Amino acid sequence: GAVVSQHPSRVICKSGTSVKIECRSLDFQATTMFWYRQFPKQSLMLMATSNEGSKATYEQGVEKDKFLINHASLTLSTLTVTSAHPEDSSFYICSARDGPKPNYGYTFGSGTRLTVV
Amino acid sequence: AQSVAQPEDQVNVAEGNPLTVKCTYSVSGNPYLFWYVQYPNRGLQFLLKYITGDNLVKGSYGFEAEFNKSQTSFHLKKPSALVSDSALYFCAAGNSGYSTLTFGKGTMLLVSP
Repeated sequence: GAVVSQHPSRVICKSGTSVKIECRSLDFQATTMFWYRQFPKQSLMLMATSNEGSKATYEQGVEKDKFLINHASLTLSTLTVTSAHPEDSSFYICSARDGPKPNYGYTFGSGTRLTVV
Repeated sequence: AQSVAQPEDQVNVAEGNPLTVKCTYSVSGNPYLFWYVQYPNRGLQFLLKYITGDNLVKGSYGFEAEFNKSQTSFHLKKPSALVSDSALYFCAAGNSGYSTLTFGKGTMLLVSP
């Protein structure tokens, strides 16, 4: 089945630095990728939707200059948390859809635990 | 706007007993419904989905879900729970007009030995 690889699984960074998280579809072309943020004991909050070759669509309240998303190829999307602060500490999960419609499969990465100190 | 409700924060069940995790949805048009499971510090794993066809959908690890259009529900069930089923379960919904899924808040399932 479809596999999405997310890297790194854990990262600790100093406040003020930037962190890049990668999301790769390994055996399919992901026309659309999604980035979520999950707080402890809470549901997934959609941050943005990225389509290959175009700008990401950010959800209301998500700072696009802080959370930079690049979807340069059909198999790779990256999320860069710029000038990270402790409040950015969270669990970030990417998801990729292997087709244009919602009834296509949504495959999730294993998540990245970001801790900003 | 579409929405998904999981009314229970936590479900407790003894091993060997049947389990049900509830989900109701609000989607315009024909719904696409999904169940995912999440283990600690891991991403979501797909369990099953309903797009069309039989109302009873069978998925991974012995789980099944029943689509009930009149009650707008898609409850997750398993005839005999295992301790290893203990995890966080998410219901999600979409339709042909939406490119994204809407998730419920999740239900923690705890199966006791």
